[in-house]
This record gives sequence, C-alpha cells and structure tokens, in this order.
Amino acid sequence: RKEVEQDPGPFNVPEGATVAFNCTYSNSASQSFFWYRQDCRKEPKLLMSVYSSGNEDGRFTAQLNRASQYISLLIRDSKLSDSATYLCVVNYRTGTASKLTFGTGTRLQVTL
Amino acid sequence: EAQVTQNPRYLITVTGKKLTVTCSQNMNHEYMSWYRQDPGLGLRQIYYSMNVEVTDKGDVPEGYKVSRKEKRNFPLILESPSPNQTSLYFCASRSMAETQYFGPGTRLLVL
Repeated sequence: RKEVEQDPGPFNVPEGATVAFNCTYSNSASQSFFWYRQDCRKEPKLLMSVYSSGNEDGRFTAQLNRASQYISLLIRDSKLSDSATYLCVVNYRTGTASKLTFGTGTRLQVTL
Repeated sequence: EAQVTQNPRYLITVTGKKLTVTCSQNMNHEYMSWYRQDPGLGLRQIYYSMNVEVTDKGDVPEGYKVSRKEKRNFPLILESPSPNQTSLYFCASRSMAETQYFGPGTRLLVL
C-alpha cells in the first residue's frame, strides 16, 4: 500500500462548480498535512496546511479525519485558473528527523 | 526574496558523462532534498540532508550522489548518467515544521 494515495483524475468540471479531492495516508502517527498545487511543468507550491479542526482559505476548505486517515480539499466556485495538479503531503516526525511524503497528485481541469 | 535556485534548468547529455545540478537556498533552512518527478510516479525523494555534512538516502538514491558542505548549497551529482535518469528534478528546502520551498526544476534528458 502506498504511504499517501490520491485519485489521479483528471477531474473535469465546469467553471463555478464545487469539486472535492480526497487523500488517504497509511501512517497513523503522521503529524502534519498539507495540500500543494503544481501547475504544468512548474514547481509545487504550498496551497494550504490542513488542521485538525478543518480550515478555510477563501474558496478552499481543507479537512482532516485522523480516525479514517484521510484529508480532503474542497474547492468552491471553481475558476479556470484553478486548473492544476493538487498534491497531498503528509509529514511524519521522529525526534529531530522529519519526512514529507507526497501523493502522486490529482489533476483538475476547469472548463468554460 | 526567499527562494531556491537550481541550475541548469534544462540539460541534454549523453550516457556516462558526469554532471552536477546545483541547488542553493537563501532561507537558512536546515533541511534540503532532491526529488525526481516522472509521469504516474509523482515526486520521489532521491536524497535529503538535515544539516551541514549530514545526508541520507531517500527512496530512489541509486545512481546519484549529493554533498552538503555549506548550509545553503546541496548539489546533485550523476557520476555516470543513464537514460533511465531522464526526468524532471526538483531541489527543495525547509525548516523542520515549515513549508517546503521548491526550486524551479531541472529537465534532464540523457541520450
């Protein structure tokens, strides 16, 4: 089983739609969680951290379910500019070491 | 401006010709990593470093070397490149609990 799993998509949605991505992780001791966005042929960039109580940043909402070991990203009112690949990232820390594990990404295509 | 730089951005080479991809960060981060990204496989960590003179293997270290002589620099060395090392490479840096910043990527083609 992969440490971090995502549906690769693509998710094709019209502008204005609401779309949700899920990501599951295998290490129950993982401590922190993130969503990164990667545009075609560019470097990944942090979209948002994911907090236990859930958090929102404008049209984006992230949630964490530790019991079921998944995180989610909800995008409301999709824009053309939201078209990208969304990477789920999990951080596991032991002592002074810290390991980030990336999912393979979910591709979103927003259309007119 | 906080950034990670890597050079070259694009490189075409031939099998067996040693090459180095440089990486530098200006954020005084302890952690630095190298990843390769291939279609369908996502980002895979090659090597990482937790501080100066401390490096360790990631998930796919075969065929690569790294060094960390200074905190800001973390070069990736391919002593004898092979075609299966054709890929998109990213350098990244972070502090332990902070956001990871990526360099712009290096596209490598090994003929």
